[in-house]
Amino acid sequence: DVKVTQSSRYLVKRTGEKVFLECVQDMDHENMFWYRQDPGLGLRLIYFSYDVKMKEKGDIPEGYSVSREKKERFSLILESASTNQTSMYLCASQGGAGANVLTFGAGSRLTVL
Amino acid sequence: AQSVTQPDIHITVSEGASLELRCNYSYGATPYLFWYVQSPGQGLQLLLKYFSGDTLVQGIKGFEAEFKRSQSSFNLRKPSVHWSDAAEYFCAVGAGGNEKLTFGTGTRLTIIP
Repeated sequence: DVKVTQSSRYLVKRTGEKVFLECVQDMDHENMFWYRQDPGLGLRLIYFSYDVKMKEKGDIPEGYSVSREKKERFSLILESASTNQTSMYLCASQGGAGANVLTFGAGSRLTVL
Repeated sequence: AQSVTQPDIHITVSEGASLELRCNYSYGATPYLFWYVQSPGQGLQLLLKYFSGDTLVQGIKGFEAEFKRSQSSFNLRKPSVHWSDAAEYFCAVGAGGNEKLTFGTGTRLTIIP
């Protein structure tokens, strides 16, 4: 089974702090995604990547950046966290025989005070 | 642009009763359609998918969904729900291949004894 691991399940940060959310997948998938999940808004795509060192903006990229230095790792960065970035962040990978199917990590719940 | 509408924010059903969750999509070509389930505090798990062929697709945990092109719908059904089915359910649409998915806002399912 594809495994997508988000290293931090719960984080509490202060306004203005730099925040790193890490995601690692172990099935050599080409594509990786970061979504944000908020009540009543569903999942909204922040950034995605189709290859190493590649990145594409999703629907709500403002206030975020990403890094993909290795195929298995896709990091989401909040350069200066704000309270409106308090949310659940979900990482997913996609590729191989299950094309188009996303496999999700367990999520990282971020609270910005 | 593709979009997904899940008109029911919250549904409550009795254990053992049948279930239908609605999903309507907007997409210009033949869509790739998915249902995911999210248990509390967890990531999303794939229930079933439709790419082509038979319009009635079977998934895990006894769920099925029917693709109706004329109604732009992909409703999820289960003949008899179990208490463990209480979760949030997301419908998603994609373009095929390794393209990003667009998710609906989700339907929260509550099961009462």
